[in-house]
Formats: sequence, C-alpha cells, structure tokens
Amino acid sequence: DGGITQSPKYLFRKEGQNVTLSCEQNLNHDAMYWYRQDPGQGLRLIYYSQIVNDFQKGDIAEGYSVSREKKESFPLTVTSAQKNPTAFYLCASTRVNYGYTFGSGTRLTVV
Amino acid sequence: GENVEQHPSTLSVQEGDSAVIKCTYSDSASNYFPWYKQELGKGPQLIIDIRSNVGEKKDQRIAVTLNKTAKHFSLHITETQPEDSAVYFCAASFMNRDDKIIFGKGTRLHILP
Repeated sequence: DGGITQSPKYLFRKEGQNVTLSCEQNLNHDAMYWYRQDPGQGLRLIYYSQIVNDFQKGDIAEGYSVSREKKESFPLTVTSAQKNPTAFYLCASTRVNYGYTFGSGTRLTVV
Repeated sequence: GENVEQHPSTLSVQEGDSAVIKCTYSDSASNYFPWYKQELGKGPQLIIDIRSNVGEKKDQRIAVTLNKTAKHFSLHITETQPEDSAVYFCAASFMNRDDKIIFGKGTRLHILP
C-alpha cells in the first residue's frame, strides 16, 4: 500500500545538537511539507517543496533546514539554532488538485 | 493571502447528538475545502472534502456544506459516537500547482457519554 512514513516516532535531542527527522513517501506525490504542532495548537508550516531540488520557507523556518534530493524523500534537520524544538512534527505530501496525506508524526523532546 | 477562521475551539456534545464546526475563509479564489480529523498522538487524516462547484457533500454520518457567497463552510457530524472525539481541522486552498493548504486552528470535539 502507498503511504507516507515518518521516523523515528520519538526523538530526544540534547542541547546544542542537530537532529534529522525522516519523511519518505511512495505515493508519487510531487509536493511535500513539514509542519510543527505544539500541544493544543494548530499546524504551523516550516518548509515545503513542490519539486525535486527546490524548496521554500514556510512561516517558521528559522532554526530548521531541509533538502529534496529525491522525489520520495524530504528530511528535516532541527539545528541548534532552534531554541525551542520540543514539539510534534508532521510531514505531508500531495499531488496537484488533491488534499494532503499526512505521516504519523515524530515527537521531538529536548533533554 | 488566504486566512481561515475556525469556531468553536472546543465543543462538547452528548453521544448521539449532532456536532457542527464552522469555518470562514478570506480568499474568494479558494476552490478546495478539506476537513481533517486528528486523534491523539497521530497525524491528521482527511475525512471529507468539497470543491467550490458543489454546495454540499455527504459521507455516511458526516456532511460538509459550502456557501461561496458568504465564504464559509461547515462540518456536520450526526449521531455522534465516542470514536468521534478528536481534533478537527478545516482548510482552504486554490488548487493549482501551488497546493499549499491553509488550515484553521482546530476544534477539539468531546463526545460525552
């Protein structure tokens, strides 16, 4: 079955450390997105990519970086510059004229 | 750009009663309106969507209505059940190559026994 896979499900980061969240899809979708969700809050867009080797900043891109070297993959790196990274991170993908398919999320905690 | 307002932020209904969540959008060019359900600790799942050439769409106990003139759309859940308890997000977009969807802030629905 086609789908979108995020890993790991839980991730712990030490102060000053960079961590990378994985997002892989086998839906042949062109566009992919990263959202951040804080407890009891809505979805805030971090980065998105509409085609391979191209991506744009969303509303809260500071302290994050992405790459899109393959159509199937859109990893998100949370850098040490992100001062409050504890949150639930959601990856999504879509094709033209259809809604998003979301992954199951990664919960990142700073220890 | 598009802005989506969603109300209420929290809704409690007795099991078996109906629930209604309302959203308004600002960009009259928006033509695609999906609704997502998010259960605790999971990613949002698309439950129903409507395009601007349709005024109403139903899928079993769930229905969505769209009023393009007033720029608002609503989610209706009838005969609510405990498994309907979740956070619901409305969204709006203009479906072209730039498929960025704008989400509302969500409604936490509690089904009371």
